[in-house]
Amino acid sequence: KAGVTQTPRYLIKTRGQQVTLSCSPISGHRSVSWYQQTPGQGLQFLFEYFSETQRNKGNFPGRFSGRQFSNSRSEMNVSTLELGDSALYLCASSPGLARAEQFFGPGTRLTVL
Amino acid sequence: DQQVKQNSPSLSVQEGRISILNCDYTNSMFDYFLWYKKYPAEGPTFLISISSIKDKNEDGRFTVFLNKSAKHLSLHIVPSQPGDSAVYFCAARGTGTASKLTFGTGTRLQVTL
Repeated sequence: KAGVTQTPRYLIKTRGQQVTLSCSPISGHRSVSWYQQTPGQGLQFLFEYFSETQRNKGNFPGRFSGRQFSNSRSEMNVSTLELGDSALYLCASSPGLARAEQFFGPGTRLTVL
Repeated sequence: DQQVKQNSPSLSVQEGRISILNCDYTNSMFDYFLWYKKYPAEGPTFLISISSIKDKNEDGRFTVFLNKSAKHLSLHIVPSQPGDSAVYFCAARGTGTASKLTFGTGTRLQVTL
């Protein structure tokens, strides 16, 4: 079974721009979560989607948004980029609500200049 | 408020010996605990999990112990191998519909020859 895929793997943007990251979960997985990893803050939860509905949201500003499509694929968007948004953005998928294990993709490394 | 803590940023162990990684938590409402291994520039890889109703779970060389009264869990790797060198994160899941994972700050394990 193919793992979680994320595109693109690397991105360089400038302050004020916006960016869209994409995630394809493991086949059959309906839950997708997004995390931000930075050296200073570690792995921080952004949001979680299940069956196209946002079920949970972390403590991030409204510039961070996401959505999930009917095929469980998910996108996250960051508008008005700031230098502090430079991070590794990780997507994780899970079979459903009963399972705690989440399986991560390789991440998208975003650099904001 | 760091609800999941890994107080040792690094650990060095000789090949063949036991590696013990520790994690403490403050929230009694966590229902699952998980361990992930992470190499640089890759997403975390799921290793092993344990339900809050159990005190031990074993999978091959990996064993996780949970001490609920002390709010402490540990990951034992026996025997340690050079390929185990990575950063290890413990994570905890909240109960109810909050399936987000709260991560510790990680412990860098170095297995030496």
